[in-house]
Amino acid sequence: DAKTTQPPSMDCAEGRAANLPCNHSTISGNEYVYWYRQIHSQGPQYIIHGLKNNETNEMASLIITEDRKSSTLILPHATLRDTAVYYCIVRAPRDPLQGAQKLVFGQGTRLTINP
Amino acid sequence: DSGVTQTPKHLITATGQRVTLRCSPRSGDLSVYWYQQSLDQGLQFLIQYYNGEERAKGNILERFSAQQFPDLHSELNLSSLELGDSALYFCASSVDSGNQPQHFGDGTRLSIL
Repeated sequence: DAKTTQPPSMDCAEGRAANLPCNHSTISGNEYVYWYRQIHSQGPQYIIHGLKNNETNEMASLIITEDRKSSTLILPHATLRDTAVYYCIVRAPRDPLQGAQKLVFGQGTRLTINP
Repeated sequence: DSGVTQTPKHLITATGQRVTLRCSPRSGDLSVYWYQQSLDQGLQFLIQYYNGEERAKGNILERFSAQQFPDLHSELNLSSLELGDSALYFCASSVDSGNQPQHFGDGTRLSIL
């Protein structure tokens, strides 16, 4: 699975859009980009994932560049409850009978939403 | 609520002891994963089970073992506990069909005294 690079920390004002970048320049054609977040010591929470098209759900939007070498997670109206560590993970789908479906977490981006 | 249930939420025990952590996956999910998160290591994959069979191993110590039962719930057994085993232990489950994501439980916080 391709390696990802994220800034260690970011700040955003409450009510503003939070844009979290992720670089995955070695991504392969069949690898998906996944975003998770971890609020304090809670379990990682799945946010969104995509292959090459932009994706949007009730939590966030995912913008993937045309060359797929980077992506941006957008929280449109950040609230204090969005303060968390955000992880960008790249992974290819595999046959579960072959195992190795694990997620590899890096250090992520610590996002702080300021009032 | 992710739908993944882990018990107990907290566990305090002493060195040398043995504990069992339990995980109930989301309805319909066949795969269960265990991860460990310690202060200095971040989230580390331990082991994966798919429909009752072990499918992948990560950095899991020989003192640790796991199994997945016919009803798909899973248990992680930690024995001969050491101070360094103090950590958060998370279980995740997924359908494992194509690109479907894993969903995590709230974890068990294990403290070794």
